[in-house]
Amino acid sequence: GAVVSQHPSWVICKSGTSVKIECRSLDFQATTMFWYRQFPKQSLMLMATSNEGSKATYEQGVEKDKFLINHASLTLSTLTVTSAHPEDSSFYICSATDRGNTEAFFGQGTRLTVV
Amino acid sequence: GNSVTQMEGPVTLSEEAFLTINCTYTATGYPSLFWYVQYPGEGLQLLLKATKADDKGSNKGFEATYRKETTSFHLEKGSVQVSDSAVYFCALSSNTNAGKSTFGDGTTLTVKP
Repeated sequence: GAVVSQHPSWVICKSGTSVKIECRSLDFQATTMFWYRQFPKQSLMLMATSNEGSKATYEQGVEKDKFLINHASLTLSTLTVTSAHPEDSSFYICSATDRGNTEAFFGQGTRLTVV
Repeated sequence: GNSVTQMEGPVTLSEEAFLTINCTYTATGYPSLFWYVQYPGEGLQLLLKATKADDKGSNKGFEATYRKETTSFHLEKGSVQVSDSAVYFCALSSNTNAGKSTFGDGTTLTVKP
């Protein structure tokens, strides 16, 4: 099956710093990647959709200047949490799909803790 | 818009009991339906899927049938094990926005020995 690798698995950073999370499709070309956020004991909420070579489309209520998404190649998308604050602490999960495939393949998630 | 409604949890069962977790959906077009499992501190694992009406997805003893007439995709397992304890998410992805997943709230299953 298709494999999506997310890195790092966990990260701790200080308030005010920026953190970059990578999402890679290892064995297919990911024309579209999605970024989700999951708070403890809650479901996954879509943050943004990124298509290779295009600007990301953000869901309502998600600050695009705070959560910078780059999808520069068909195998890599990055999420940068800028000027992180403790309330940004969460579990971030990416998924990726190739053209026309209704199934998306999920990364293993990144647990971000801002102290 | 699309939405997924899961039965409210948590669910606690004894080992070898029968499991049903209800899931209904609202979607435009013809969605694909999925069940994912999430173990504590981990990401999502695809448990099973169905891409068209009347399809039955199955894996590891779990089954779910895509019922278009009732817009449902209930998860069942005949005999649960302690190792099945996890959070289960029902999700859909419509063919009009391929790969974009809409999730239910999740159901926490605890199986006691």
